[in-house]
Amino acid sequence: GAGVSQSPRYKVAKRGQDVALRCDPISGHVSLFWYQQALGQGPEFLTYFQNEAQLDKSGLPSDRFFAERPEGSVSTLKIQRTQQEDSAVYLCASSPAGRVAQYFGPGTRLTVL
Amino acid sequence: GENVEQHPSTLSVQEGDSAVIKCTYSDSASNYFPWYKQELGKGPQLIIDIRSNVGEKKDQRIAVTLNKTAKHFSLHITETQPEDSAVYFCAATSGNNNDMRFGAGTRLTVKP
Repeated sequence: GAGVSQSPRYKVAKRGQDVALRCDPISGHVSLFWYQQALGQGPEFLTYFQNEAQLDKSGLPSDRFFAERPEGSVSTLKIQRTQQEDSAVYLCASSPAGRVAQYFGPGTRLTVL
Repeated sequence: GENVEQHPSTLSVQEGDSAVIKCTYSDSASNYFPWYKQELGKGPQLIIDIRSNVGEKKDQRIAVTLNKTAKHFSLHITETQPEDSAVYFCAATSGNNNDMRFGAGTRLTVKP
């Protein structure tokens, strides 16, 4: 079946621009996660949704980062007034109900110039 | 919170040899330990996982062992092939959905 998909795959933004990154989880998966992966590092937790409820956003690095999942399916990670330190790969993962295993999408590589 | 250490950071082996990657964790509440393979330009792919109620799990050429007392777990790949070349990440979580922590990764190169 179809896995987690993310778009765009690559995004180049000028410093100060706003960006929106999209995640389509595996159909029926209840939990959705966003991670940030810096070059040469493991993924770091940003935020977590169960259905449409954002249950944890403690990993978001600043108030410029905002995530939503209004209908409990597709999610969008928005970064306002991008800075160079926001350059990274942003990964989305999903899990079915009652399961711990997380399944990742291909990621969006964001480059802020 | 959980802290996961992974080593080595790079590993080069000859095709057909075995490869071992080791991780340690700090939180004794952690009870689920997945391993991911990440190829260039792709997202992490779950390749094997283990729960704390077992000490070893095997799937064809890959196996994972867990020592809860010592808080460490390892990935073993036998009969390595060039297509095994990738970055491998270990992770640990207590099963709460917001506390999975990843190691820094091991870049495995299998030389033909």
